[in-house]
Amino acid sequence: AQTVTQSQPEMSVQEAETVTLSCTYDTSESDYYLFWYKQPPSRQMILVIRQEAYKQQNATENRFSVNFQKAAKSFSLKISDSQLGDAAMYFCAYRSALRQGNLIFGKGTKLSVKP
Amino acid sequence: DGGITQSPKYLFRKEGQNVTLSCEQNLNHDAMYWYRQDPGQGLRLIYYSQIVNDFQKGDIAEGYSVSREKKESFPLTVTSAQKNPTAFYLCASTLKQGAPYEQYFGPGTRLTVT
Repeated sequence: AQTVTQSQPEMSVQEAETVTLSCTYDTSESDYYLFWYKQPPSRQMILVIRQEAYKQQNATENRFSVNFQKAAKSFSLKISDSQLGDAAMYFCAYRSALRQGNLIFGKGTKLSVKP
Repeated sequence: DGGITQSPKYLFRKEGQNVTLSCEQNLNHDAMYWYRQDPGQGLRLIYYSQIVNDFQKGDIAEGYSVSREKKESFPLTVTSAQKNPTAFYLCASTLKQGAPYEQYFGPGTRLTVT
């Protein structure tokens, strides 16, 4: 069975600085997708970024980028120029491209942004 | 505006009562999902449905039931058999089951059972 591990329960960053959130996963599959979701205090889940495992190029979305290391099964999220609105829970998630395709979530990292 | 609605936002029930959480989407998505979120936990899948009149158990289906009579609706019933029903419940949908389709989430319902 696939698992997703986020080893940092909480992280803190100064406004305008850069922070990296870690995620590792375990799978025997070669074709899958990885996601980072943001859950602000409103508790609405918002997709931040997505990575297809078959793509070598790391995904980027404005200030958000990932470092995808397929061999190491690592999928970290880098937030540049952190803003107060980035404060939230961040969840890493895995989805198989072959099976039913349900999302498997990590336990999350709570990010605080200091002004 | 297309999206997913869940009602109510907060729900209180007495122990031993069944309660139904509503989830409606107007995105014309085929697949719908129910997740449970507890403090310090990620989201755990309760049930999912790929098409109308069909649904499958997720990882923690015991004590829950669902129906999918209409494409846009996927209500979740928390039965009295669920031992720890107090939690935050999220509904989601996706265009079709499987990657690479993004899952869109509703705003959630906080259920408190006393």
